[in-house]
Amino acid sequence: DTAVSQTPKYLVTQMGNDKSIKCEQNLGHDTMYWYKQDSKKFLKIMFSYNNKELIINETVPNRFSPKSPDKAHLNLHINSLELGDSAVYFCASSQGRESLREQYFGPGTRLTVT
Amino acid sequence: LAKTTQPISMDSYEGQEVNITCSHNNIATNDYITWYQQFPSQGPRFIIQGYKTKVTNEVASLFIPADRKSSTLSLPRVSLSDTAVYYCLVGRNTDKLIFGTGTRLQVFP
Repeated sequence: DTAVSQTPKYLVTQMGNDKSIKCEQNLGHDTMYWYKQDSKKFLKIMFSYNNKELIINETVPNRFSPKSPDKAHLNLHINSLELGDSAVYFCASSQGRESLREQYFGPGTRLTVT
Repeated sequence: LAKTTQPISMDSYEGQEVNITCSHNNIATNDYITWYQQFPSQGPRFIIQGYKTKVTNEVASLFIPADRKSSTLSLPRVSLSDTAVYYCLVGRNTDKLIFGTGTRLQVFP
């Protein structure tokens, strides 16, 4: 069983479009995250949700909107996509708020904006 | 998170022990030292976390001197499958978390 899953794995779209990436975890964790890994390979935290509450929003443009319908799901919706949004987006989960310890990452979604 | 410095890359051969050192001179009292591993086209995977002295699990050991200004991740008897990027993180939570460039370990047969 996949612990943290993301769909889709690849996403190619044009500038200005709106797209969503879905994430699900079956580990029973109470905290989920979204990360962005850019072309320079830096992996940066974007959002963190604990028990469906947003607890981190690290200077991410408001075109990015996370939605957590329940503790097991954290989706990422992106409006008006820009070229600079091209990156790999990783979802992760952990037990405990904002924990550095034992975050389980999904396989990533490679987003290409043309 | 505290600023960390680790080698950009390291080479090793199968069966050897690999030690990757991370410097973190401005570590705070409450900070933990955490290591992650990332394979190409995959998300990072937690390896080990420690606060002081030595921590060992089935995958690696983490050595932390008394001043805690550095730490060493030790991988015993590496294999080709240990080829990956290794990240050292120093902090207490994920506030402003950025995984740096890490150490790219290449294991040769």
